[in-house]
Amino acid sequence: AQRVTQPEKLLSVFKGAPVELKCNYSYSGSPELFWYVQYSRQRLQLLLRHISRESIKGFTADLNKGETSFHLKKPFAQEEDSAMYYCALSGGTSYGKLTFGQGTILTVHP
Amino acid sequence: GAVVSQHPSRVICKSGTSVKIECRSLDFQATTMFWYRQFPKQSLMLMATSNEGSKATYEQGVEKDKFLINHASLTLSTLTVTSAHPEDSSFYICSARVDPASYEQYFGPGTRLTVT
Repeated sequence: AQRVTQPEKLLSVFKGAPVELKCNYSYSGSPELFWYVQYSRQRLQLLLRHISRESIKGFTADLNKGETSFHLKKPFAQEEDSAMYYCALSGGTSYGKLTFGQGTILTVHP
Repeated sequence: GAVVSQHPSRVICKSGTSVKIECRSLDFQATTMFWYRQFPKQSLMLMATSNEGSKATYEQGVEKDKFLINHASLTLSTLTVTSAHPEDSSFYICSARVDPASYEQYFGPGTRLTVT
């Protein structure tokens, strides 16, 4: 069974501070991992995926298979980063269905 | 980028009636679409996987006779909530896979269903 855990429901930081949103997963094979973001009153949108190894809006995430983690990081948070962030995993079964974590609400204070 | 639309964006219906929600891929063909339910400030719960031309695959605990899914074409999937009750009130979101080689999904804006 595949499972994604985001231990922090709420995370608050001040503008300019580093931010790390934690994500741990459980899956026996080689998963594909994603971070999705949902800004206020907007649809869910892809932020980044591990296979791209890219940085979007200053965010990066490294897949650590040893720790089964895929934490999302940004060195200097901005107020516009305030949103709900979801970590998601696809195990390659069932037409690629995604399993989502519980989500973390990030609030960046001025 | 790939765009997924949903209609209606909001719907209010009386208890006992049925309501249909449409999910369309606007600029691509989607062989696979997904239906989720989202509670306020909570995660997305996958309800079912919809495949064009075949029966939907429902997640455990989701009543297939209550949540009817039809994927009649490569650009349209519908979710019909039958005999709706107040506890069915929720935010329903669909998504679609664009690239068969990737598990990335694009999401619709969601439909707010209120059953009175």
